[in-house]
Amino acid sequence: AQSVTQLGSHVSVSEGALVLLRCNYSSSVPPYLFWYVQYPNQGLQLLLKYTSAATLVKGINGFEAEFKKSETSFHLTKPSAHMRDAAEYFCAVSNRDDKIIFGKGTRLHILP
Amino acid sequence: DAGVTQSPTHLIKTRGQQVTLRCSPKSGHDTVSWYQQALGQGPQFIFQYYEEEERQRGNFPDRFSGHQFPNYSSELNVNALLLGDSALYLCASSLDRGVMNTEAFFGQGTRLTVV
Repeated sequence: AQSVTQLGSHVSVSEGALVLLRCNYSSSVPPYLFWYVQYPNQGLQLLLKYTSAATLVKGINGFEAEFKKSETSFHLTKPSAHMRDAAEYFCAVSNRDDKIIFGKGTRLHILP
Repeated sequence: DAGVTQSPTHLIKTRGQQVTLRCSPKSGHDTVSWYQQALGQGPQFIFQYYEEEERQRGNFPDRFSGHQFPNYSSELNVNALLLGDSALYLCASSLDRGVMNTEAFFGQGTRLTVV
């Protein structure tokens, strides 16, 4: 069975500071891993996706994530936070791009 | 390209009633998946339709059923509504390529409130 654990339901960072959102996964097969963002009253938008190619994945809006098999982690980072990054972020796992298992989400707050 | 469109955007129903939610996939996509997102939670997979048949199903009761039409659009039906069915229902579409699907695109969702 596949599962995802996101550490921290709320994370606050100052504008311009490093963003780090943590995600650990469990999968019995090589996983596909995703980060999605959800703005208030919106659907989900894909930030980036890992599908067994390069372990460092670059996504939209300056975000990137590194797949670490030994740590079963797929943490999301951004060097410098902007106010517009305030949203809910979901880490997710799949063995294809169909049935996607989501974490409970991390709400990112940006402090001025 | 309108992307994935869902209707209605909001809906209020009474316990015991039945509801139908609709989804039109992104142009060129043939696979539709439905998710339930309760308040403060991540989306949970309900089921997926491909070639007008249910291909995968999550841990949801039979009160949740669906349909896919020849034009790939889809409906989610929920019978005998419970208060706990109140949630944002998300539709995602993708293109099945046999080995792996393309990226799943999500609609804006339908907010269902059961009173």
